[in-house]
Amino acid sequence: EVQLVESGGGLVQPGGSLRLSCAASGFTVSDHYMDWVRQAPGKGLEWVGRTRNKVNSYTTEYAASVKGRFTISRDDSNNSLYLQVNSLKTEDTAVYYCARWRPITGTTNAFDIWGQGTMVSVSS
Amino acid sequence: DIQMTQSPSSLSASVGDRVTITCRPSQSISTYLNWYQQKPGKAPNLLIYAASSLQSGVPSRFSGSGSGTDFTLTISGLQPEDFATYYCQQSHNTPPTFGGGTKVEIK
Repeated sequence: EVQLVESGGGLVQPGGSLRLSCAASGFTVSDHYMDWVRQAPGKGLEWVGRTRNKVNSYTTEYAASVKGRFTISRDDSNNSLYLQVNSLKTEDTAVYYCARWRPITGTTNAFDIWGQGTMVSVSS
Repeated sequence: DIQMTQSPSSLSASVGDRVTITCRPSQSISTYLNWYQQKPGKAPNLLIYAASSLQSGVPSRFSGSGSGTDFTLTISGLQPEDFATYYCQQSHNTPPTFGGGTKVEIK
């Protein structure tokens, strides 16, 4: 079964850090672009960042709101990816989802697989 | 970044109703438009990609149309399991951006 399972969320004080994990099964993470998307309580979906596939040298890209504070990395041996979140702010409180960004057709991409999400709460 | 405007933000409908949700990007995106369904406490689920193509396993009562700056998601014959929040998302540019969501509630 193709699935993604996140972990690592929790309650952290402003300025703190966490490392979120996303374990994949049923497919090889290194073959795909993988993204993180977050959702603040009662709000909509916000793209956080992306790591491209092995063919594209695992390059990363981030939303302006998290650039310089968040870092995406991978561990191919564990078929996993990670989101290191530093210098956390109260506005970073959200459910964090990892999702596969895949070409559904020759030119169209979409988030076709999502994890169940992990909650990050930033509060003093 | 491309801004995605969805309307309405919420609607009330009855089982069997035909429901239409609109999505308007801030610039033309051809047909690079996807729709997702999200139920409370769950991750989003891809319904439609490339504006009008049904993702595998999605019931045929869901349909999408549009191009450029005007898109529509239609549910023909609303079912109890369709009460959820729906999001449009553009795949024309990075960053991928989402509409604000449309919550479909039971009348």
